Amino acid sequence: GAVVSQHPSRVICKSGTSVKIECRSLDFQATTMFWYRQFPKQSLMLMATSNEGSKATYEQGVEKDKFLINHASLTLSTLTVTSAHPEDSSFYICSASGGFQETQYFGPGTRLLVL
Amino acid sequence: GNSVTQMEGPVTLSEEAFLTINCTYTATGYPSLFWYVQYPGEGLQLLLKATKADDKGSNKGFEATYRKETTSFHLEKGSVQVSDSAVYFCALRRDSGNTPLVFGKGTRLSVIA
Repeated sequence: GAVVSQHPSRVICKSGTSVKIECRSLDFQATTMFWYRQFPKQSLMLMATSNEGSKATYEQGVEKDKFLINHASLTLSTLTVTSAHPEDSSFYICSASGGFQETQYFGPGTRLLVL
Repeated sequence: GNSVTQMEGPVTLSEEAFLTINCTYTATGYPSLFWYVQYPGEGLQLLLKATKADDKGSNKGFEATYRKETTSFHLEKGSVQVSDSAVYFCALRRDSGNTPLVFGKGTRLSVIA
């Protein structure tokens, strides 16, 4: 099946720094990408929906200035956690969809730990 | 709003036991329903799906039937294997492939030999 990669898989950073997470669709063009956040033993919570070439749509309660999303091409979306704080520590997962009836394919996730 | 409720785990079974993981949903209209599986250290993989009432999704011995009257999509497998140990997520999608999924909390399954 289709493959979605994320990089890095794990990152540890100091409080106040910014972290960029990449999500790539490796063998298909992703018109839409989604970013989710997963806390331990919790469900995946949608953060934002990203369509190629347009601004991301953020879910209520998600700060767009803190979680910057860029979807510059049909195979790459990035999530930048700006001025990260310990409460931003979480598991971030992206998924990509190729179109109207397409299945969403998930990346393996990025575990962020902010010290 | 749309939501998914699935049974809390962890679920521990012996090899060859019968598995049921309950999932119910709340949604407007006619959502598509999914089961995703997350093996240790890996991303979510689509296990099966159903797009309309009475459809049965099946894959790798797992199956689930879209029951609109009970708003349920329970996952079943007749004989589990150790390799089925993973976290299983029930999810719905209201519209097209370009709309996000709404997930349940996940159920961790451990199968012991």
